[in-house]
Amino acid sequence: AQKVTQAQTEISVVEKEDVTLDCVYETRDTTYYLFWYKQPPSGELVFLIRRNSFDEQNEISGRYSWNFQKSTSSFNFTITASQVVDSAVYFCALGLWGTSYGKLTFGQGTILTVHP
Amino acid sequence: DVKVTQSSRYLVKRTGEKVFLECVQDMDHENMFWYRQDPGLGLRLIYFSYDVKMKEKGDIPEGYSVSREKKERFSLILESASTNQTSMYLCASSPRRSPYEQYFGPGTRLTVT
Repeated sequence: AQKVTQAQTEISVVEKEDVTLDCVYETRDTTYYLFWYKQPPSGELVFLIRRNSFDEQNEISGRYSWNFQKSTSSFNFTITASQVVDSAVYFCALGLWGTSYGKLTFGQGTILTVHP
Repeated sequence: DVKVTQSSRYLVKRTGEKVFLECVQDMDHENMFWYRQDPGLGLRLIYFSYDVKMKEKGDIPEGYSVSREKKERFSLILESASTNQTSMYLCASSPRRSPYEQYFGPGTRLTVT
């Protein structure tokens, strides 16, 4: 069975601070996908990134960056110079390779509050 | 603009009532999903459907059933609502060619009293 753990339930920062959201996963499968989603107050989950298990290259997209380390089963997400609009719930998720149904296992979510 | 809509944003029902939550997508997606979101538990998959009239149990199907008579519509049914089913319910859809490309609806916050 798969499991995703986001140890930080809530994080509170002041605008312009950098913040890292942790994600640790468990799976016996050797090929899988990892995801990050953002859920703003409107409620709809917004897709942020997908990584394949065989691609450990870190990725940067504007103020967002992701650090994938297979050796420690972690897929951490960093927001640089946080802004108030980053306030949301963030979810890490795991999906198995080769399934046509897209079944995802989500972490518990981290509530990020960025204060002005 | 892709869209997944859910019939209600907020719903209040009494214990024992039969509850229908409706989800409609306009992207011609084969896959549709119902998740439940609870604080501290994240999103948990209740049921999913990979084609019309086809369904599979997710991780927490007990107390729920689903119906998919048309490709664009996926209904979640609570046969006899209970207070422990008070939660946020999220619907999502994805294409068969890219099943993890899931688009989510805004959610229905259901309160069972």
